[in-house]
Amino acid sequence: EAQVTQNPRYLITVTGKKLTVTCSQNMNHEYMSWYRQDPGLGLRQIYYSMNVEVTDKGDVPEGYKVSRKEKRNFPLILESPSPNQTSLYFCASSLSARGNYGYTFGSGTRLTVV
Amino acid sequence: GNSVTQMEGPVTLSEEAFLTINCTYTATGYPSLFWYVQYPGEGLQLLLKATKADDKGSNKGFEATYRKETTSFHLEKGSVQVSDSAVYFCALAGGTYKYIFGTGTRLKVLA
Repeated sequence: EAQVTQNPRYLITVTGKKLTVTCSQNMNHEYMSWYRQDPGLGLRQIYYSMNVEVTDKGDVPEGYKVSRKEKRNFPLILESPSPNQTSLYFCASSLSARGNYGYTFGSGTRLTVV
Repeated sequence: GNSVTQMEGPVTLSEEAFLTINCTYTATGYPSLFWYVQYPGEGLQLLLKATKADDKGSNKGFEATYRKETTSFHLEKGSVQVSDSAVYFCALAGGTYKYIFGTGTRLKVLA
């Protein structure tokens, strides 16, 4: 089944403790992206990647890192999480960076930083 | 810059009612337009899309027409069901390879 898989689904952590949220897609998609979803703010893009070893900042990149060493994986790293990073996170992929293909989304990771 | 504005929710309808969720956009060039649906506890799913002016996207009884003259992409369904209860997002993809999402409209359908 074609899908984007994120792990974990739920995570509670403490301020400052490094964490990684994994994202993997099995569709050979070039373009991958991370979003956070907050009430009243909709979805905001954190980082995106147009292909292996090519990443760039989205609208809210502060406090996050990403890497794209393989085409299928696009992990999101929080080096020193803070409470304002408590949010619902989605990974998404698309066949190409051209806008007309649409995204496939993962099921989301609900992160709570205390 | 590019932007998407969609109507505030929640929208509450009775089963079999007609649905319209308004979406307007601002963009340079010729963006592609999308509607996504998010069911409780799930990620967003692509519902329909249109890639050029006057295109009509359709899926599962939902329709939306890309209107360049009014910069709109309103979502419609002739007869909603309880199972359509979800949050609906309008989105735009432009030449900068970035998607812009609206803030979402929650739909609640009552039996």
